[in-house]
Amino acid sequence: QQQVKQSPQSLIVQKGGISIINCAYENTAFDYFPWYQQFPGKGPALLIAIRPDVSEKKEGRFTISFNKSAKQFSLHIMDSQPGDSATYFCAAKIRNSGTYKYIFGTGTRLKVLA
Amino acid sequence: GAVVSQHPSWVICKSGTSVKIECRSLDFQATTMFWYRQFPKQSLMLMATSNEGSKATYEQGVEKDKFLINHASLTLSTLTVTSAHPEDSSFYICSAPGQSNTGELFFGEGSRLTVL
Repeated sequence: QQQVKQSPQSLIVQKGGISIINCAYENTAFDYFPWYQQFPGKGPALLIAIRPDVSEKKEGRFTISFNKSAKQFSLHIMDSQPGDSATYFCAAKIRNSGTYKYIFGTGTRLKVLA
Repeated sequence: GAVVSQHPSWVICKSGTSVKIECRSLDFQATTMFWYRQFPKQSLMLMATSNEGSKATYEQGVEKDKFLINHASLTLSTLTVTSAHPEDSSFYICSAPGQSNTGELFFGEGSRLTVL
């Protein structure tokens, strides 16, 4: 029940296209949903995040769409660029006994063709 | 944003030796830090939650005696892989929540451990 399911596993997009990555969860106790970008050999970097009381958040070319009733959220990358080629992870935060932890999706390897 | 620094970024050691990885929050204090392990092309698996001034909380299946965690100060947590074996070779990443209450998690650059 603490899983976060992410799809697709890999994605190839033409330069200028829209990249869409989806995540789904079961546990309604999750209260924060960030997306991370990771380049090979580096630690993940926070891209954008959303709380469950908001349906959409946009920051530059990156948009999170959140569907609370469906327990799904997605990352849209507009005007995708070769520099966006990386692995993207969705995550969900859950509180437990005064502490909290993050559960990560399985990751999506994005390749943007020049 | 907050900066988390990890050291070393890569280390090669012989089987049976111990390796220490440091995680520092450079411009903020972190009472909690998280240690993750990542295999090639796979997701981040939470190993343990490091708590300043108290014992770490380990995830199920993670050997406490194998992966020693110490949170010595508000800016430093260490992970020691004891008696390392080739199967311990992996990418280890630490993270810490920022000062705001938004829940943002900041990651270190990761440490690549190779056990020969």
